[in-house]
Amino acid sequence: EPEVTQTPSHQVTQMGQEVILRCVPISNHLYFYWYRQILGQKVEFLVSFYNNEISEKSEIFDDQFSVERPDGSNFTLKIRSTKLEDSAMYFCASSGRKGLYEQYFGPGTRLTVT
Amino acid sequence: AQTVTQSQPEMSVQEAETVTLSCTYDTSESNYYLFWYKQPPSRQMILVIRQEAYKQQNATENRFSVNFQKAAKSFSLKISDSQLGDTAMYFCAFTTSRAGSYQLTFGKGTKLSVIP
Repeated sequence: EPEVTQTPSHQVTQMGQEVILRCVPISNHLYFYWYRQILGQKVEFLVSFYNNEISEKSEIFDDQFSVERPDGSNFTLKIRSTKLEDSAMYFCASSGRKGLYEQYFGPGTRLTVT
Repeated sequence: AQTVTQSQPEMSVQEAETVTLSCTYDTSESNYYLFWYKQPPSRQMILVIRQEAYKQQNATENRFSVNFQKAAKSFSLKISDSQLGDTAMYFCAFTTSRAGSYQLTFGKGTKLSVIP
């Protein structure tokens, strides 16, 4: 069964450094998402991406964040200058033609900013 | 703005028993979708069950079923014959079909413990 994959599973970085989180959505899916979950809290929407552009973003998704689909298979989230409060689990999700509203999540990347 | 409320931070159930997790939501949209996601200790988000608002029939997936009350904006999850592997955080989530995105809005979750 197709699945969403994410790398790395755990990333440790120093405050102020740039990080890139990578995702490979399910092939032939159309919508791509990033969500964030701070430890012990609920999952929060960051950004959605469709037809090679951002379709919607939340207040969390400020100028420090960017997304890209560089080669038709990967979907990346970049944080330019990480802060301590960026420490969280980051989930990628995708949805396809048969159910645009039904999102399948990757296993997540745990980002730790020290 | 859409909101999702899960009023039970933690629940426990004996193995093989039935448990119901509550969820209410608030929206002005007429067409929307509701989901329950399971998050075990591995923290993977797993889709358990979905419900389209236009469908009156409650969704069922094996031991999992929902009680969807559209007028009351209530969407509870019933787990029958609970198993140890059901121990996890359960998140209720909501999305609409409005143009632009199908972003999910999540509740704060209910931590379910299945006791042997």
